[in-house]
Amino acid sequence: DTGVSQDPRHKITKRGQNVTFRCDPISEHNRLYWYRQTLGQGPEFLTYFQNEAQLEKSRLLSDRFSAERPKGSFSTLEIQRTEQGDSAMYLCASSLATGQGNGYTFGSGTRLTVV
Amino acid sequence: AQTVTQSQPEMSVQEAETVTLSCTYDTSESDYYLFWYKQPPSRQMILVIRQEAYKQQNATENRFSVNFQKAAKSFSLKISDSQLGDAAMYFCAYRSAIYGGSQGNLIFGKGTKLSVKP
Repeated sequence: DTGVSQDPRHKITKRGQNVTFRCDPISEHNRLYWYRQTLGQGPEFLTYFQNEAQLEKSRLLSDRFSAERPKGSFSTLEIQRTEQGDSAMYLCASSLATGQGNGYTFGSGTRLTVV
Repeated sequence: AQTVTQSQPEMSVQEAETVTLSCTYDTSESDYYLFWYKQPPSRQMILVIRQEAYKQQNATENRFSVNFQKAAKSFSLKISDSQLGDAAMYFCAYRSAIYGGSQGNLIFGKGTKLSVKP
């Protein structure tokens, strides 16, 4: 297991198009998180899953955003009708549900540029 | 709502010297975890050190140690014997440990950019 994988690394899209990102967590981790990071800022929480259940969503996650984790393994984050304000790094992380003091393991992120 | 504040946007340290990065947080909860993460340029975020709020003893990981002052809600990171590879963005983060709290939400500060001079 090589850690948390995110695909693609970079995505350039035209405004109004839909985009989908994928995250493959560490296999034994049952929690998966999505964060958004803009330039010069810390990551902001979007949503998280425990197994296949989506347990929490941030108010940042507008109706244009949807996340799934259908089999409790990989997850997808879709943004519909992209806007220039969606340009950011989208980070995925995973952890075990037990031992909340355990830190998350982050992926390298998907950098989205909306033109 | 909990907040995390890092008041130093940028810091610089000479190689082999010691530097301290500041972090303060605001919470009404009594049980939580605090973390420092390192994010090198164009690379993934890595956990540096963690602290449980119920533990009075400050956490230490090799050259990295924290000064946790619960009453003051302060959580600073000390890097000793700084190395060129320590250059990165450093983020302080908070996570609730309260059942029913926002347990999925790791709350980050805005970060401190650390430069290491040879």
